[in-house]
Amino acid sequence: DAGVIQSPRHEVTEMGQEVTLRCKPISGHNSLFWYRQTMMRGLELLIYFNNNVPIDDSGMPEDRFSAKMPNASFSTLKIQPSEPRDSAVYFCASTYFGGGHTEAFFGQGTRLTVV
Amino acid sequence: QQQVKQSPQSLIVQKGGISIINCAYENTAFDYFPWYQQFPGKGPALLIAIRPDVSEKKEGRFTISFNKSAKQFSLHIMDSQPGDSATYFCAASTGNAGKSTFGDGTTLTVKP
Repeated sequence: DAGVIQSPRHEVTEMGQEVTLRCKPISGHNSLFWYRQTMMRGLELLIYFNNNVPIDDSGMPEDRFSAKMPNASFSTLKIQPSEPRDSAVYFCASTYFGGGHTEAFFGQGTRLTVV
Repeated sequence: QQQVKQSPQSLIVQKGGISIINCAYENTAFDYFPWYQQFPGKGPALLIAIRPDVSEKKEGRFTISFNKSAKQFSLHIMDSQPGDSATYFCAASTGNAGKSTFGDGTTLTVKP
């Protein structure tokens, strides 16, 4: 398996534009997580899905952020409208959750710059 | 309120030395404590993990020590190598390994 695949790797956009980040989890995994990494706040969990259903979105900073998982092999994180303070590295991670702890695998991240 | 506190923020060690990174947590419901290693431009990767019913876990040069009563755990890297230079994050989770609260990270530099 190629691991968790995120696209794009880098995104530069102007303030006010819509940004969509994409993630393909590892095949067979049933949990998917979106994290944001910044120098100021470190790694923060934004939202996670189990079996394509959003379970906890309490980490989503505001209504400008939304995430979807239309099927087991694809998820998106959308920011609309984007602001400079959204600049960060966004990671997607996946794991198989079957009642115990199994390893979570992270993608390589999308570095977002909002100018 | 930060639930997982990590120290030090940065660490410089000579090749062959021991690197020690410490973490403390507050939520007693945490039941899984992983350590992640992150290289520049990459995502975090699981290094080693421990559950609270075990006081120590060793994998190669990496050891986690866990003190449940003190709510503290630490990572020891024996015989540190320049290739170990990276940022290390401790984390804690409840139920699902992917739903983790991370420490702020420690940047380790191993000098040759």
